[in-house]
Formats: sequence, C-alpha cells, structure tokens
Amino acid sequence: AQSVTQPDIHITVSEGASLELRCNYSYGATPYLFWYVQSPGQGLQLLLKYFSGDTLVQGIKGFEAEFKRSQSSFNLRKPSVHWSDAAEYFCAVGPNAGNMLTFGGGTRLMVKP
Amino acid sequence: DADVTQTPRNRITKTGKRIMLECSQTKGHDRMYWYRQDPGLGLRLIYYSFDVKDINKGEISDGYSVSRQAQAKFSLSLESAIPNQTALYFCATSDLAEGGRETQYFGPGTRLLVL
Repeated sequence: AQSVTQPDIHITVSEGASLELRCNYSYGATPYLFWYVQSPGQGLQLLLKYFSGDTLVQGIKGFEAEFKRSQSSFNLRKPSVHWSDAAEYFCAVGPNAGNMLTFGGGTRLMVKP
Repeated sequence: DADVTQTPRNRITKTGKRIMLECSQTKGHDRMYWYRQDPGLGLRLIYYSFDVKDINKGEISDGYSVSRQAQAKFSLSLESAIPNQTALYFCATSDLAEGGRETQYFGPGTRLLVL
C-alpha cells in the first residue's frame, strides 16, 4: 500500500530565510505528486504538482519541488519565506488502487519576524 | 466566486443528531470527494463519486452517508452524530485527464463540533 510521510510536524523559520519541507513516499511505480497549502481558516490550495518530465517543478507563490526517485522524495522549497507563508502544508501521492490520493500528515510552518 | 463551496462553514451539534453538509461546484467536474481532516492525520477519504450514478466508500465511511443530487452537488450526512466525528470536513472535485492524471480542488471546509 502506498504511504506518504512528512517527518516534520512543525517547522519555524525566520522571515527571509530559506525553507525546505520534506515529503517521502512509498509507491510501487512512478507516482503523481502534489503539494497543497492550507492557510488558517481556508481550504487546501494546490501549490504544484508533478506528473512526469522535468523533476524540478515550479509552483505558485515562489515555491518549487524536486522529485527524486532514488530517495522517494518530493521536497518543497522556497528561497525566501514571507510571513504570509505561515500555514499547514500537505504532500499527497497518487493514484492508489482506487485512483485516490494519499495525503501525508501535514507540516505546520511558523514564520518568525 | 469560489469554484467549490461548502455549507455550512461551521456547525455545532449534539450527539445523536442527524446533520447534512453540502458541497457545490461550478468547475464542471464529474468527480467529487468528501474528506475529513484530523490533527496529525492529514486528510482521510470518506466517500467519493465519479459521476451522478456512482458512489463509493472511502477508507472511513462508517457513520456517514452521501447523496449526489446532480453533477454539481454532493452532500455528506451524519445519520447520528458522535463526538469523535468532530473534525474539519473538506469537499473536493477533480478533473481526470488523459493517462489518469488527476488534480483535486478543495472547498473551504466545514468545521464540525459534536457535543
């Protein structure tokens, strides 16, 4: 069965610092990979997705992620964090046997001024 | 206007009550989903529907039922609410592109408290 692990439950970074959120997955073939962001009181917004091709994916709000097959990872990065990036971030992988997505437990990002 | 809307946004109910959460979408997608979110557990799938006549159970369907009234509407019901159904509930829709490439789009969520 496929699974997604986000090892860091909470991360705190200073505004302007770089950010990397980790996502590791277990999947039997080449997965489809997603990062979503959930701002306080909001729904989930798609940041970026990977289906195939270039393993470095650019998303909205200045985020990017890199698919590394050898490490079963799809880490999310941003070179300079803004206070408005404080939110919870979810990694997801699919499709599973039922053509569904499997979500990680989320990483809550806090940004220090 | 939002593409995926959920009503109500917040709801407090008592144990044993029947409640319905509603979801509407203007994206024209055939596929719709209901998830619940609990701290540290991410999102877990309750039910999903690939078209109006197709309803399927997800991984945590016990205690829930759904109705797909139209392509644009997908409702989730708690027949007899219990406190451990206190959670944040999300509706999602998706397009299914060639090759099985599917992207899900989420509503704003309904925060449910069962006393």
